[in-house]
Amino acid sequence: RKEVEQDPGPFNVPEGATVAFNCTYSNSASQSFFWYRQDCRKEPKLLMSVYSSGNEDGRFTAQLNRASQYISLLIRDSKLSDSATYLCVVNIRTTGRAGNNRKLIWGLGTSLAVNP
Amino acid sequence: GAGVSQSPRYKVAKRGQDVALRCDPISGHVSLFWYQQALGQGPEFLTYFQNEAQLDKSGLPSDRFFAERPEGSVSTLKIQRTQQEDSAVYLCASSHTLHTSGGAEETQYFGPGTRLLVL
Repeated sequence: RKEVEQDPGPFNVPEGATVAFNCTYSNSASQSFFWYRQDCRKEPKLLMSVYSSGNEDGRFTAQLNRASQYISLLIRDSKLSDSATYLCVVNIRTTGRAGNNRKLIWGLGTSLAVNP
Repeated sequence: GAGVSQSPRYKVAKRGQDVALRCDPISGHVSLFWYQQALGQGPEFLTYFQNEAQLDKSGLPSDRFFAERPEGSVSTLKIQRTQQEDSAVYLCASSHTLHTSGGAEETQYFGPGTRLLVL
């Protein structure tokens, strides 16, 4: 079982729709959580961090449920420009040469296509 | 300011050839990461540097892969005797803080990647 799992999609939605992505993680040592966006043939870019209290940035809302070990991303009023792959990322604690380090574990990404 | 840059952007290598991929992180960023991203996959961690020290190389797939950051700035990922399964995009990322705080301030900024194709 992968440490971070996402539904790969693709999600095909019309403009203006609301779409939700879920992500589950297996490592209870997970410390922090992020959603990254990756456009085709481009590098990943941070979309938003995910906090336990939930956080919102414009049309985007992220939620974290530590008890169930899942993270969600909600996109409201979707735009054509939202078409991309959305990557769920979990920062887990590891023990290395310098004591405690952390490592980002990435999901495979969920592909979103917003259609006119 | 300038972001993370990587070179070359594209590299075609014959099987068995050695390749070197360069990463210039954002100036002043302490932490530097290398990832491998195969088609249709998320990035897979390869190795991590804190300044010039390589603190975690657990993700390097074989001893053909070697990374260095001798002066704590520019980093090079070297792949010896390339194989077809090495074909992927190699992403470099840097972050401002030490990779220990676990908070949002550890945002990683990615370069455009080097797309490696081994024939």
